[in-house]
Amino acid sequence: NAGVTQTPKFQVLKTGQSMTLQCAQDMNHNSMYWYRQDPGMGLRLIYYSASEGTTDKGEVPNGYNVSRLNKREFSLRLESAAPSQTSVYFCASSEELYSTQYFGPGTRLTVL
Amino acid sequence: KQEVTQIPAALSVPEGENLVLNCSFTDSAIYNLQWFRQDPGKGLTSLLLIQSSQREQTSGRLNASLDKSSGRSTLYIAASQPGDSATYLCAVNASWGKLQFGAGTQVVVTP
Repeated sequence: NAGVTQTPKFQVLKTGQSMTLQCAQDMNHNSMYWYRQDPGMGLRLIYYSASEGTTDKGEVPNGYNVSRLNKREFSLRLESAAPSQTSVYFCASSEELYSTQYFGPGTRLTVL
Repeated sequence: KQEVTQIPAALSVPEGENLVLNCSFTDSAIYNLQWFRQDPGKGLTSLLLIQSSQREQTSGRLNASLDKSSGRSTLYIAASQPGDSATYLCAVNASWGKLQFGAGTQVVVTP
């Protein structure tokens, strides 16, 4: 089992460019999450999907959109990247909303 | 709003000593609390999940306690090893799977 995988691992964007971060899990989990990690701010939830077909906002959703493509995949889109979105992005999944969350290796994004 | 605090921010111990990591939270209405380990430049690895109805959870050299009424959890790591060097994060699950994280405790175990 690969667990939670994320692509790409690194990305550099210019202000205003768009991109999609991909996440997939092979554990047959129902719930999936997107977090960002910033120095001094810790980990913060951007969006989550309790189950296939549903998505909800987390603590810091502005500037992002998500798609739960199927049970395995949950993507995060930046429509018009800003320097404030420079961060490390983690995807996670869990069997249900209150179960142990398993994290991917992260995507390091720099917006110039 | 739930706030999660981890003290100390950093800790250095000699190999073999027991580690004690603290986590406190302001709102006792939680479903569970999860402890993670993060190595530099890596993702988070789940260590233990302790339900709100539990007082304690153990896995190998790790033991986590939970006192929900006082808003505290403690992670004990017995007989520390250099491989235990990492940042340890606690997170409370208080609402619909939304984990609220502490800032972490950076641990260095010296040989």
